[in-house]
Amino acid sequence: QKEVEQDPGPLSVPEGAIVSLNCTYSNSAFQYFMWYRQYSRKGPELLMYTYSSGNKEDGRFTAQVDKSSKYISLFIRDSQPSDSATYLCAMKKPGNTPLVFGKGTRLSVIA
Amino acid sequence: GAGVSQSPSNKVTEKGKDVELRCDPISGHTALYWYRQRLGQGLEFLIYFQGNSAPDKSGLPSDRFSAERTGESVSTLTIQRTQQEDSAVYLCASSLEGGQVEQYFGPGTRLTVT
Repeated sequence: QKEVEQDPGPLSVPEGAIVSLNCTYSNSAFQYFMWYRQYSRKGPELLMYTYSSGNKEDGRFTAQVDKSSKYISLFIRDSQPSDSATYLCAMKKPGNTPLVFGKGTRLSVIA
Repeated sequence: GAGVSQSPSNKVTEKGKDVELRCDPISGHTALYWYRQRLGQGLEFLIYFQGNSAPDKSGLPSDRFSAERTGESVSTLTIQRTQQEDSAVYLCASSLEGGQVEQYFGPGTRLTVT
């Protein structure tokens, strides 16, 4: 079993839809939970991160972490064609430890 | 300011040849990371540098892979005797200090081994 599981999609939604992206994980030592966005032929860029459980909101984006279920989510409200990208979840244990990534979900928002 | 840069952006090489990939981190960032992204896969951690030292090399897949960092700045990832399974995008990231969540990625080097 991989440490981080993420459905690769692809996911296609109409403009304005609410998008839900999810990851599950197996290692309870993870304390930091991140979402990266990667456009085609570009490096990933950090969208937001959460420490431990709870919600975090930034504009149209909301990240949720449920440590009891080992499940994290990213919601995108009022999705736009410019949101079309691959979304990667990543997790990290405390200290000088590497990020562990999911496979990424490819999202297309259709105008 | 300038972000992380990587060169070359694309590299096509024949099986068995050696390749060198370069990463220039953000100025002042002490931590530098190399990742590999195979088609349809997530990023795999390869190696972490703090300054010029590599305290974590646990992700290097074989002894054909090596990396160094000089002047607490530029890093090179070398793959010797390349194999077809080495074909991937090699991404470099840097952060202000080791252990930080915020890592800033370069655009990657797309390596194709024929």
